[in-house]
Amino acid sequence: GIQVEQSPPDLILQEGANSTLRCNFSDSVNNLQWFHQNPWGQLINLFYIPSGTKQNGRLSATTVATERYSLLYISSSQTTDSGVYFCAGWVVDSNYQLIWGAGTKLIIKP
Amino acid sequence: DTEVTQTPKHLVMGMTNKKSLKCEQHMGHRAMYWYKQKAKKPPELMFVYSYEKLSINESVPSRFSPECPNSSLLNLHLHALQPEDSALYLCASSQDGADTQYFGPGTRLTVL
Repeated sequence: GIQVEQSPPDLILQEGANSTLRCNFSDSVNNLQWFHQNPWGQLINLFYIPSGTKQNGRLSATTVATERYSLLYISSSQTTDSGVYFCAGWVVDSNYQLIWGAGTKLIIKP
Repeated sequence: DTEVTQTPKHLVMGMTNKKSLKCEQHMGHRAMYWYKQKAKKPPELMFVYSYEKLSINESVPSRFSPECPNSSLLNLHLHALQPEDSALYLCASSQDGADTQYFGPGTRLTVL
């Protein structure tokens, strides 16, 4: 089926810690994206990462398309990193339908 | 500029009211989207406009009526909503299909 699964569902860390979030996706899904939704509801696109590795400051992402997974790394966490992290992929053969994972809720404690 | 704007930020309406949500982008994107998001859930796709034409309607009730007046604007007209329609309504745009999506800040809708 068409699936995107994220783990863990919840993560609580102290400020300064590192974390890895995982996204597994079925072969009916491609062109993964990672989003951060802050506590006020704003969804920010972090990475568009069909394959390979990208870095942006303290965040980086790796997608291994052949093994159908993607990882989001957050280093030296800050309280502003709190929120929900979603991965989403495009349904193959549909240009306009994103399939979303259930999200990882991250809480960074000061 | 990667900004998508939405108005209003908050909206409270009765079940007999008619209201509209507005979304605007000036990135030259050709695809625009409406999503509905309930608490603790990912966004659910409602409508997609591609090149100002309705491409996808995800079996949304007719009390939600989308409109794309031009390539930069997207409206969602609301009429006779139910309390269960209370949610965060998000607008997004992308250059074309299967591309990076950019989201607006959302309209938090409460139906009394």
